[in-house]
Formats: sequence, C-alpha cells, structure tokens
Amino acid sequence: DAGVTQSPTHLIKTRGQQVTLRCSPKSGHDTVSWYQQALGQGPQFIFQYYEEEERQRGNFPDRFSGHQFPNYSSELNVNALLLGDSALYLCASSLDGGQTQYFGPGTRLLVL
Amino acid sequence: GIQVEQSPPDLILQEGANSTLRCNFSDSVNNLQWFHQNPWGQLINLFYIPSGTKQNGRLSATTVATERYSLLYISSSQTTDSGVYFCAVGGIYAGNNRKLIWGLGTSLGVNP
Repeated sequence: DAGVTQSPTHLIKTRGQQVTLRCSPKSGHDTVSWYQQALGQGPQFIFQYYEEEERQRGNFPDRFSGHQFPNYSSELNVNALLLGDSALYLCASSLDGGQTQYFGPGTRLLVL
Repeated sequence: GIQVEQSPPDLILQEGANSTLRCNFSDSVNNLQWFHQNPWGQLINLFYIPSGTKQNGRLSATTVATERYSLLYISSSQTTDSGVYFCAVGGIYAGNNRKLIWGLGTSLGVNP
C-alpha cells in the first residue's frame, strides 16, 4: 500500500518565479492538506482540498493556490516567489470524516 | 485561534532513560495528534488521541481534554527516538476543525 508521495523532493527557484508541487494521497484517501514548515518551526496550514474544491484555508496570500484532480492527487502553486517562501512543503492525506492525517516526505524549496 | 505550547523545547537523554513531553492547548479540541519528525523531515503519526490514554510499544500518550493538556511518554529511549516531537490539534468550531494547529515541537536527542 503506497503512502503519500510528493514530487519533486528538492527545488531551487529565484525570486519572482512560479513553482508547482505535487502530491499523491495514500490509497483510499480523498482529502489532501498542504502545510508549510519553515526551519525550526512547526508546520503551518495552507489549505485543504476535498472533492476537487478548497474547503478551508489558512493565513496565506493568494499567491498560494491549489488544485485537486478527480483521482484525489493535488498540486500546490506558488506565484511571485519571495525569499521567505523557502521552506519544507508537506502534503497530508486523510479520509473525509477521519481525523488522522498521513504525511508525505515533503518538498524542500529554496528561493534565491 | 487555538494556541499550542510544547515543553520542554529541547531534551537530551542517555539511551535507556525515560521522558515525558507535554502539550498545552488553549481551547477545546476534537482532534489531537502526536507526530515524530525524523532528521530528514518525514513526519510519522504516533497517536491520534483527543482524549484518554493509548500505548504503542515504548510510547504512550494521555490527553486530559477538560484540563487542556496532553502528555507523551517515551520509555527506555533509543537513539532512533531522536528527532522532533510535535503536538497538533484541531478545534471543535466550524471553520477551524479541519486544520491542524501545531506547537513548536520538542527536539529530542538520545545519546548512546
């Protein structure tokens, strides 16, 4: 049973560029949440997708957007990258109605 | 919003020692999870425990929801227990009950 997978594992971008990160949920899961984790901090909730719609959002600007596909996989897009967007981006999947979230290995983004 | 405080922030143990990590939260929750993050960033779910007590091998956890705290016990620690332990909670009110709010974590080092 495949767990949560994310791609790419590492990414280097420059300020102003755009980036797309991808996540495939655990088999049988239909809900995907995205988190940003800065160095030395706990993860911060970005948003959650269910049935291809964003149904809850944290305190992140509109530069952060996402999408969920019919197969439940998801993308996180960040436009106009800032140096402060450098972080580990984590994807978590869960079954709607279930409370336990399972995390992928993350994508490390460095913005220069 | 809900505030999550974890203590201690850092802990160094000799292999074989026992430890207790604490998580305090500021409001009622319907979701509380403990995670271990290894040095490579992978988050592993240890317990889903909004109330009561659970045990899994050398680890156990207790949540006293009425007093708004949770404890994670590690017995007979091993070097592989090193990493950061996070407590994450979800609120009971619509609009914040689907996202996890995280503490800053307890960084644990276990020396051989």
